[in-house]
Amino acid sequence: GAGVSQSPSNKVTEKGKDVELRCDPISGHTALYWYRQSLGQGLEFLIYFQGNSAPDKSGLPSDRFSAERTGGSVSTLTIQRTQQEDSAVYLCASSSNGDQPQHFGDGTRLSIL
Amino acid sequence: QKEVEQDPGPLSVPEGAIVSLNCTYSNSAFQYFMWYRQYSRKGPELLMYTYSSGNKEDGRFTAQVDKSSKYISLFIRDSQPSDSATYLCAMTSMDSSYKLIFGSGTRLLVRP
Repeated sequence: GAGVSQSPSNKVTEKGKDVELRCDPISGHTALYWYRQSLGQGLEFLIYFQGNSAPDKSGLPSDRFSAERTGGSVSTLTIQRTQQEDSAVYLCASSSNGDQPQHFGDGTRLSIL
Repeated sequence: QKEVEQDPGPLSVPEGAIVSLNCTYSNSAFQYFMWYRQYSRKGPELLMYTYSSGNKEDGRFTAQVDKSSKYISLFIRDSQPSDSATYLCAMTSMDSSYKLIFGSGTRLLVRP
């Protein structure tokens, strides 16, 4: 497709389980971002990948959160030992490089029971 | 205090009205300013992207930046029911140009 693709669109899991969220950026975009959108906090930056450079992980809220980007394309955000406060919409965005406008996917709505 | 302040609304207007949406910010290092539109259960969609102070127009949308007052606006002319959505302002600084800092969003309802 032409846009950023995220899967799954919805995920419900039990507290303590691990989850993996996937992002497929726009073809040719070298920069990829993860954000979290929750009612109380709005949209918050999590992590940024640019080409082969080391990612900026400064927004990850705890060491239970990690992300990787394989082959400079698809990215996976992993949350280990999920907690109820992890419930949010996780949004992925991509851009042609790090200082160009970011284009978002529709997100994964994560609910922790 | 948040770096970017935005009135959450909701803002309700009749069809055809001119809508004014605003954000204020505290960090004078912010240089790039964006407006996104977000429909329910969808991702944010980029509407406007501006760098300098002044106005930028695109169809029914006008973005205005006043760096001296740390104030940005989005105007929507001839508003339509399809414009009903949440509008998010976002901005970045020169030294961290990839890290978007968002306002909390304003809900807009355009009544037919």
